[in-house]
Amino acid sequence: SQTIHQWPATLVQPVGSPLSLECTVEGTSNPNLYWYRQAAGRGLQLLFYSVGIGQISSEVPQNLSASRPQDRQFILSSKKLLLSDSGFYLCAWDGEIANTGELFFGEGSRLTVL
Amino acid sequence: GNSVTQMEGPVTLSEEAFLTINCTYTATGYPSLFWYVQYPGEGLQLLLKATKADDKGSNKGFEATYRKETTSFHLEKGSVQVSDSAVYFCALASGGSYIPTFGRGTSLIVHP
Repeated sequence: SQTIHQWPATLVQPVGSPLSLECTVEGTSNPNLYWYRQAAGRGLQLLFYSVGIGQISSEVPQNLSASRPQDRQFILSSKKLLLSDSGFYLCAWDGEIANTGELFFGEGSRLTVL
Repeated sequence: GNSVTQMEGPVTLSEEAFLTINCTYTATGYPSLFWYVQYPGEGLQLLLKATKADDKGSNKGFEATYRKETTSFHLEKGSVQVSDSAVYFCALASGGSYIPTFGRGTSLIVHP
């Protein structure tokens, strides 16, 4: 069966520090992968998506970047965090049958920037 | 472009009350429609979906009907439980990329 994992689950970082959140999918190959951010009271915002190794599409200009060094690994990074980067970050993939609109989400990573 | 509008919460109900969470959408073509649920501290999980007009999605006592004439996909449940307390997201996907567009989410609080 396919599963998706992301970590760390919780992170408290000072302003100006770097960030690395990691997401992996098991049991499949060449998944479409997504990073969303959920800020308090603002719903889900698509940050990045990837259809293959090294292929990253950015949806909004921001202080974050994403990389896909391996087929089933998707990393969200920042060189210098801002207070506004605080939020709940969700990784997702679209399952064995791609492009149906249905997504499968990881457990989420809560980032607090102080 | 595509957009989803949900009623603002929180929605507060007593156990066994009837639930309706409104969702309307704007989309090109014929989108697929989804409801996701997010329990506290967790990621989202699909609750139900409908892929064409007049389809009814259902799961765990929740239902939603794809109404093309009113561009709506309202979520309903006849008798809510405390365990239904969560945030509910309406979403749609259409077009070649099928990257879903989410509403802002509606928080549901059910009291015993």
